[in-house]
Amino acid sequence: DGGITQSPKYLFRKEGQNVTLSCEQNLNHDAMYWYRQDPGQGLRLIYYSQIVNDFQKGDIAEGYSVSREKKESFPLTVTSAQKNPTAFYLCASSIGGLGAYEQYFGPGTRLTVT
Amino acid sequence: KQEVTQIPAALSVPEGENLVLNCSFTDSAIYNLQWFRQDPGKGLTSLLLIQSSQREQTSGRLNASLDKSSGRSTLYIAASQPGDSATYLCAVNNYGQNFVFGPGTRLSVLP
Repeated sequence: DGGITQSPKYLFRKEGQNVTLSCEQNLNHDAMYWYRQDPGQGLRLIYYSQIVNDFQKGDIAEGYSVSREKKESFPLTVTSAQKNPTAFYLCASSIGGLGAYEQYFGPGTRLTVT
Repeated sequence: KQEVTQIPAALSVPEGENLVLNCSFTDSAIYNLQWFRQDPGKGLTSLLLIQSSQREQTSGRLNASLDKSSGRSTLYIAASQPGDSATYLCAVNNYGQNFVFGPGTRLSVLP
C-alpha cells in the first residue's frame, strides 16, 4: 500500500528538549510538507521541500528545523526555541511542489510539551 | 496575501439531507482548489481537486464547484449519512505558491 506514515502518533516532551517527528512516504513524490494544526485554525505551513537536499521555510518556520537527505523521508525537529510547540503536526506530499498538485497527508503526530 | 474562510464553522443536519459547504478566498487568481475531509485526531483525506480551468468536479455523492470570479467554492453532499460526519477543509493556491487552508466546517449528520 502506498502512503505516508508518521511516527509516533503521540509524543510527550519536557520543555527545553528538542524532539524529532518522523515522516516517510512510499508514493515516489518529489515534494513534502510539514504543517501545524491548532484548534479552530487552518493548517499553517512550517517547511516544505520540492526535491532531495533542498527545503524552504514556510509561514511559521521559527523554532523548527528539517532535513531532506532521502526522497522518502522528511523529518521535522521541534527545537527548544519554539515558544508554543504543543500542537498536531501533519506531514504531506505531492508529485510536484508549490501547490500545483494534489496533496496527500499522513495520520499526524500530536505533540504535547509540558 | 491569500485568505480562506469557511462558513459556517459548524453544521448539524438530519440524515438524508442534501447540504452545501462554503469556501471563500480573497485572491481570485488561483491555480487550483482542494477539498479535504478530516476525522477527529486523524490526518486529512483528499476528496476533490479542482483546477482553475474547471468549474466542477464530482466523486460519488460529492460535487465541488468553483467560481473564481466571485472567490467561492461549494462542496455539495447529497443524501448525507452519519458516516459523513467530519471536518471539511478547503485549500487554495495561487500559481507558484503553496496551499492556503481554511479553518474548516465541522459537520454532524444525525441518524
